[in-house]
Amino acid sequence: EAGVAQSPRYKIIEKRQSVAFWCNPISGHATLYWYQQILGQGPKLLIQFQNNGVVDDSQLPKDRFSAERLKGVDSTLKIQPAKLEDSAVYLCASSAGGVLDKEKLFFGSGTQLSVL
Amino acid sequence: AQKITQTQPGMFVQEKEAVTLDCTYDTSDPSYGLFWYKQPSSGEMIFLIYQGSYDQQNATEGRYSLNFQKARKSANLVISASQLGDSAMYFCAMREDTGRRALTFGSGTRLQVQP
Repeated sequence: EAGVAQSPRYKIIEKRQSVAFWCNPISGHATLYWYQQILGQGPKLLIQFQNNGVVDDSQLPKDRFSAERLKGVDSTLKIQPAKLEDSAVYLCASSAGGVLDKEKLFFGSGTQLSVL
Repeated sequence: AQKITQTQPGMFVQEKEAVTLDCTYDTSDPSYGLFWYKQPSSGEMIFLIYQGSYDQQNATEGRYSLNFQKARKSANLVISASQLGDSAMYFCAMREDTGRRALTFGSGTRLQVQP
């Protein structure tokens, strides 16, 4: 079974530029998550989708970040314009939406973003 | 609001010995799940073990066990017979079963296994 796919693996941009990350979850997984992991910290949820609807985007900086999950499969996370503090690893995860208390997340390898 | 605390930024352990990584949590939800993930230098988060708040017994998965003390709100990870490949970051996470279902993570513990 293929895992969660993310691209690109690395991205270097200058501040005020825009950038986009792509994620393809495990086939059949209804729930998709984007996490931001700043160096030395644990992952922080940015946005959660259930199929193609947003469940939680309370921690997404909506003035510069946007995300979509068209057709309820793959997803794109965009930052425009980027700031220095956006330098982080962006992790995508998916889950099957099965038995609630045993539901675990499967993570991709992440996209490491450096904003100069 | 939920909160996960990992008070050990770094830990050392000798190969073949056991090690305990601490995790405490705070929630007012009576139903929740606790998870441990391993993050090697490659960056991918690898699921290790799960404990439900209503589970009567501590969870075990191979060399991993979770020491769940509900009254103390702690969920420590025990790794037995440490191996060099266990060197990584370890994150404790929690999900409340009401409200959003996303995981909230602690700040992590870096484990280094020494030969």
